[in-house]
Amino acid sequence: GNSVTQMEGPVTLSEEAFLTINCTYTATGYPSLFWYVQYPGEGLQLLLKATKADDKGSNKGFEATYRKETTSFHLEKGSVQVSDSAVYFCALSEVINAGNMLTFGGGTRLMVKP
Amino acid sequence: GAVVSQHPSWVICKSGTSVKIECRSLDFQATTMFWYRQFPKQSLMLMATSNEGSKATYEQGVEKDKFLINHASLTLSTLTVTSAHPEDSSFYICSAPNLAGAYEQYFGPGTRLTVT
Repeated sequence: GNSVTQMEGPVTLSEEAFLTINCTYTATGYPSLFWYVQYPGEGLQLLLKATKADDKGSNKGFEATYRKETTSFHLEKGSVQVSDSAVYFCALSEVINAGNMLTFGGGTRLMVKP
Repeated sequence: GAVVSQHPSWVICKSGTSVKIECRSLDFQATTMFWYRQFPKQSLMLMATSNEGSKATYEQGVEKDKFLINHASLTLSTLTVTSAHPEDSSFYICSAPNLAGAYEQYFGPGTRLTVT
C-alpha cells in the first residue's frame, strides 16, 4: 500500500533560518504529491503540489521537487518567519474510483522563534 | 478557490448522545467526500469515503454502525457519531476532491468534538 514518511518534529528555528522538512513516499503507481499546512486552530490548507516527476511546486517562498528516483518530496524555505509556525503534512494522492484518496505523513510541527 | 464548510465548528455533548457533523461543498459538486479524524498532535487518519447515492466505504477498524455517514446530495455529506463516548473526542475533518484539477482536495475547517 501507499505510505508517506516525514521527519518527526518539532523543528525549532530562529527567524530567517533555512528550513528543510524531509518527506519520502512509497506508492504503487504514479502519485501526485502535496504539502499541506495546518495553522493553530485551523483546517488544512494546500501549500503546494507536484503532479509528475521533476515538477517543482512553490508557494509563499516554500518549494518542493518531486524526485522519483529517490521517492522524495522535501519541503524547503530559504528564510522562515514566525508566521510560518504550523504543522506541515506531506501527502500523496492516487485516484480511486470516482475520487482521489490522500495518504498523509505524520506531520511535522515547525516553531519559529523571533 | 473551492470552499468546503463544516458545521458545527465545535460541539460538546454528553456521553451516550449522538452528534451530527455536516460537510458541504459550497461552490462545486462532490460525488465523493472523505472523512478524517485527527488526534491531538497527530496526523489525519482516513475514516471513510462518502459516496453520493451509495453506501460509504469504511477503513479497516472504523465501526460503521458508530460512525454513520450519509451523502445526501452532491454538496452535502454528514457524519453522525452515535452513542458518543469520551474516547470519540477528536477533531473531525472532511474533504472533497476537485475532479477537474490534478487530484487536489479541499478541506473543511474541521469540527472539534468533546464528549463529556
